[in-house]
Order: sequence, then C-alpha cells, then structure tokens
Amino acid sequence: DIQMTQSPSAMSASVGDRVTITCRASQGISNYLAWFQQKPGKVPKRLIYASSTLQTGVPSRFSGSGSGTEFTLTISSLQPEDFATYYCLQHYNYPRTFGQGTKVEMK
Amino acid sequence: EVELVESGGRLAQPGGSLRLSCAASGFNFESYGMNWVRQAPGKGLEWISYISNTERSRHYADSVKGRFTISRDSAKNSLYLEMTSLRVEDTAIYYCAREETWSGTGDYWGQGTLVTVSS
Repeated sequence: DIQMTQSPSAMSASVGDRVTITCRASQGISNYLAWFQQKPGKVPKRLIYASSTLQTGVPSRFSGSGSGTEFTLTISSLQPEDFATYYCLQHYNYPRTFGQGTKVEMK
Repeated sequence: EVELVESGGRLAQPGGSLRLSCAASGFNFESYGMNWVRQAPGKGLEWISYISNTERSRHYADSVKGRFTISRDSAKNSLYLEMTSLRVEDTAIYYCAREETWSGTGDYWGQGTLVTVSS
C-alpha cells in the first residue's frame, strides 16, 4: 500500500500569511493527488485534484504542485475561513490512502 | 444538483452487524464509481471501500476486508455498505463519496452517518 506522509501535522499562522503543506508518497503516484479541506463538524471538501487542478469554485489563493512522490498545497494569503484541517489523498491505485492531516490554527 | 444522503448509522454491539445506505440524486448514478470513507472521533480520514459503476471492481482497506461488503443498486440509485463482525474501532462517521473517472475521488460527499460500536 502507498503511504502518504503530510508535514507539518499542525501549524500556527496569521491572516495574510503564505502557508505551505507538503505531502510525500512512499512510491511514485504521477500526479494522482488530491487535497481536501475539512472544518470542524463539516464534510470534507475537495480543493485540488490531479495535483494542481483547482476544483470549480475554490479561491485562486489555493494552489497545488508536484509529481511523483512530492506534493505541495500552498495558500498564498491565509484568510479567516481557511483555518481548518487539510488532507492529501492519492488516487493512483487502491487502497486509496489519505495523509494524516495538517491542522492550520490561528497564531 | 448532486446530492448524497447516507443513512443507517446507529449504536451497535461488538460482533454485530449493520447496513449503511447512500441515496444518490442529481447525476447519472450508473456512470460513476462510489467510495465509502470513514472518520473516527477526533481522527483523520480513512478510505475503506470502492465499487465501480459496473460492480465488476470492488476494493477494500485491510482494516475492513472480509468483514464489510460494498454493493450498489443502480435501479434505486443507492450505494450500500454491509458491516459485520463490528469492532469498537469501527466507531466513526461514515461518508459516501463519488468517484469521477477523470478527476478521481471525492468530488462530492454525503453528510455522513454515525456508527457507534459499544457494549
């Protein structure tokens, strides 16, 4: 099974900060990587798929990059509504595997 | 509008069984694969099962293999998860999530249904 390792597990940031979250796959997954945002008590929401394609309606301050084993989610200027937990997911093969999550908290 | 609505979650005893349902609407259900994803209290997301649109392909996480069975009924636009030999560690919110061939997993999710396994 492919292991997905996210870093950091948690971070503190301020409104306006540039935030970068990394996801590493235990083997190459081409660009079959998605990013999800989940707020407390809410359903996960897909932000990005195919490593860098923005889901319709997602603000352009979110971006994704990477291929193979190293991937990055970047929030260019953190907004109050962006404080949440973020998960990566590989959809290269089965079993699908999520990263352990990165909680972005207010500094 | 795409909508996924899960049901069937409740309190169950260890060793017991439960059947979850996911009612789909707003899209051509028979053209899409479907997944079940769960989230234990305070924990991260865990993918547990997938079924293709034709039912020819099914996959399971090791944690549920041999105990859970995924199925679907395209005539009823419904996805199911038959859960047997339940364990305390199966306690979680269970979500159904759509699989899109060209963009992958999870473009749409249901609101989830809570399964609690406890004596």
